[in-house]
Amino acid sequence: GAGVSQSPRYKVTKRGQDVALRCDPISGHVSLYWYRQALGQGPEFLTYFNYEAQQDKSGLPNDRFSAERPEGSISTLTIQRTEQRDSAMYRCASSSFAGQGAGETQYFGPGTRLLVL
Amino acid sequence: KQEVTQIPAALSVPEGENLVLNCSFTDSAIYNLQWFRQDPGKGLTSLLLIQSSQREQTSGRLNASLDKSSGRSTLYIAASQPGDSATYLCAVSRGETSGSRLTFGEGTQLTVNP
Repeated sequence: GAGVSQSPRYKVTKRGQDVALRCDPISGHVSLYWYRQALGQGPEFLTYFNYEAQQDKSGLPNDRFSAERPEGSISTLTIQRTEQRDSAMYRCASSSFAGQGAGETQYFGPGTRLLVL
Repeated sequence: KQEVTQIPAALSVPEGENLVLNCSFTDSAIYNLQWFRQDPGKGLTSLLLIQSSQREQTSGRLNASLDKSSGRSTLYIAASQPGDSATYLCAVSRGETSGSRLTFGEGTQLTVNP
């Protein structure tokens, strides 16, 4: 596609429900990143993939959070048993190179605004 | 742990002024530094990327410099316009086993008044 897309754009859920957030990266991009952004803050790293392999999940806050990218393209970030503190903007980014920091630009999607009531 | 700080947190200037946004980082072992623009309701747009071996990058009215040894970067915006109003984010990449995960500052909210 022309850019990174994310769905849904907005999600309101009740505490205790599970949610799944989808990211569709730029076609052909190897690396895919998930970030979380609280209001007035910069994005914080959650996890990233090269192709279908999850390379680093050290930023996931706890075991209620998981992510997958089974075919090396679309990725899903799942939050189980949501809590009010999970409310934030969840952003996805992709880049073309599966490098060891080769300096490639990350292209961000519009984000999913999650509100847990 | 890498920490990125941006100063000022907010800035309001009249149209036409030249301005400088500042970014500092605590760990100089970075691979690159990126400046992003964030508009409400939209994603982040990459403005400039500076490799650790470079000193500056330019794009139109934007110029970003990097002093890796001192842990500082500046974004210079010439002849500011109301359309430049946005939040500007600085991010550094460690680029080791964690690929290019970015560590962001909290941003500078810029308002350019017509």
